[in-house]
Amino acid sequence: AQSVAQPEDQVNVAEGNPLTVKCTYSVSGNPYLFWYVQYPNRGLQFLLKYITGDNLVKGSYGFEAEFNKSQTSFHLKKPSALVSDSALYFCAVRDWRSNYQLIWGAGTKLIIKP
Amino acid sequence: DVKVTQSSRYLVKRTGEKVFLECVQDMDHENMFWYRQDPGLGLRLIYFSYDVKMKEKGDIPEGYSVSREKKERFSLILESASTNQTSMYLCASSLTGKGTEAFFGQGTRLTVV
Repeated sequence: AQSVAQPEDQVNVAEGNPLTVKCTYSVSGNPYLFWYVQYPNRGLQFLLKYITGDNLVKGSYGFEAEFNKSQTSFHLKKPSALVSDSALYFCAVRDWRSNYQLIWGAGTKLIIKP
Repeated sequence: DVKVTQSSRYLVKRTGEKVFLECVQDMDHENMFWYRQDPGLGLRLIYFSYDVKMKEKGDIPEGYSVSREKKERFSLILESASTNQTSMYLCASSLTGKGTEAFFGQGTRLTVV
């Protein structure tokens, strides 16, 4: 079955330190992967996506993600965390079996401490 | 700037009421979606529409219906609201294509009492 896993419910990082939010996937064929961010009581905002090509994808707000086919992972990263990065982060993958709908991870709460 | 607008940020309704959640997008997107978001469960798809008057059930359609009479507008209807439908509801739209991202509205937090 096609699926997405975000193994950490919460990640705590000190401001200025690098951050990583993990995502692993299980799909047949080529994966189309996405990261979104949700600030409190708001809708989701698109951060970045991997379709094909370079394994390192750059997105909004200084975020990037590394696609690793052998480990079936698409971890979200940022070299230096800001307090304002504190939010809920969702990973998603296209499901070709259901009209290319998105399959969502459960979300990871990122807390950046000053 | 792309925009998906949900008619209400917060709603409080009584059990048994018929509830309408409205969503409008200004990007001429073919696809529109209604999700429900609950803590620890991520986003669950209720219904989606890939064209005017077309709709398909998502993962949790029970207790909901939808209407898409115009391309830009997608309505979610709770036929008879129940307390277990208290949740955050998110509308989204997208172009058709495997690599296209979805754009979300700001969400409607519905409380059924």
